[in-house]
Amino acid sequence: DAKTTQPNSMESNEEEPVHLPCNHSTISGTDYIHWYRQLPSQGPEYVIHGLTSNVNNRMASLAIAEDRKSSTLILHRATLRDAAVYYCILRDGIQGAQKLVFGQGTRLTINP
Amino acid sequence: NAGVMQNPRHLVRRRGQEARLRCSPMKGHSHVYWYRQLPEEGLKFMVYLQKENIIDESGMPKERFSAEFPKEGPSILRIQQVVRGDSAAYFCASSPRNQETQYFGPGTRLLVL
Repeated sequence: DAKTTQPNSMESNEEEPVHLPCNHSTISGTDYIHWYRQLPSQGPEYVIHGLTSNVNNRMASLAIAEDRKSSTLILHRATLRDAAVYYCILRDGIQGAQKLVFGQGTRLTINP
Repeated sequence: NAGVMQNPRHLVRRRGQEARLRCSPMKGHSHVYWYRQLPEEGLKFMVYLQKENIIDESGMPKERFSAEFPKEGPSILRIQQVVRGDSAAYFCASSPRNQETQYFGPGTRLLVL
C-alpha cells in the first residue's frame, strides 16, 4: 500500500475553516484517496474519497493536487464535534474491497 | 438501515479465559473486516471475511485468534487464552459487494485482568 504523510496534530477555532493536508508522493494511477475520521471513543467514520477531481459532500471537501501527490481535506466551518483523528488512506481502485491501512493520522483540536 | 452492530461493547476477562466478539454487518453487506486498536496506537487490520470464507488473514496473530463469518448469523472474532496484551478496542467494519467504503461499528473494548 502506498504511504501517506500527515501532520501529527492541528488546532483550529470553532466556525473557522480547517485545511488538513496529506502527502502521498508514491501514489499510483489507480489509487483512490480516502479520508476517515475517528471521534473519541468511537469507531472510524467515512468522510470522503476521490480519484482526480475535487469532491464535495455534506461533511467536507477534498482538494486533490494536479499531480495527485498531495491532497487536502477541507472542513468549511469547524464545530466542536469535528474534533477527531483524521486519517488519509490510499486504496487501489482496481482490486476493490480490501483492508484499510491506517497511519497515525492528524489529531484535530477545535477551540471554542 | 441500522449500522454495524458490535457486542458486547465492553468485555472483561481474566488471563487464560476466552473472549468472543460479535459483529453484525449492515443489511446487504457481505464483506466484514476486523481491526484492532491498542491503547494510544492506530488501527491495525486483522482479517477480512466474506460469507463462509476467510479472504485475507494477514493481520491475525498466528496463535489463539480465529474469525468466522457463517452463512447465518454474525461474524465472530474469538480469542482463546487471553493475555494482558490482548487488551484493546476491536472494531468491525462492513462493506457492500464491489464497493469501497467501509462502515465501522462502535467497537468492543476488551480488558484482560
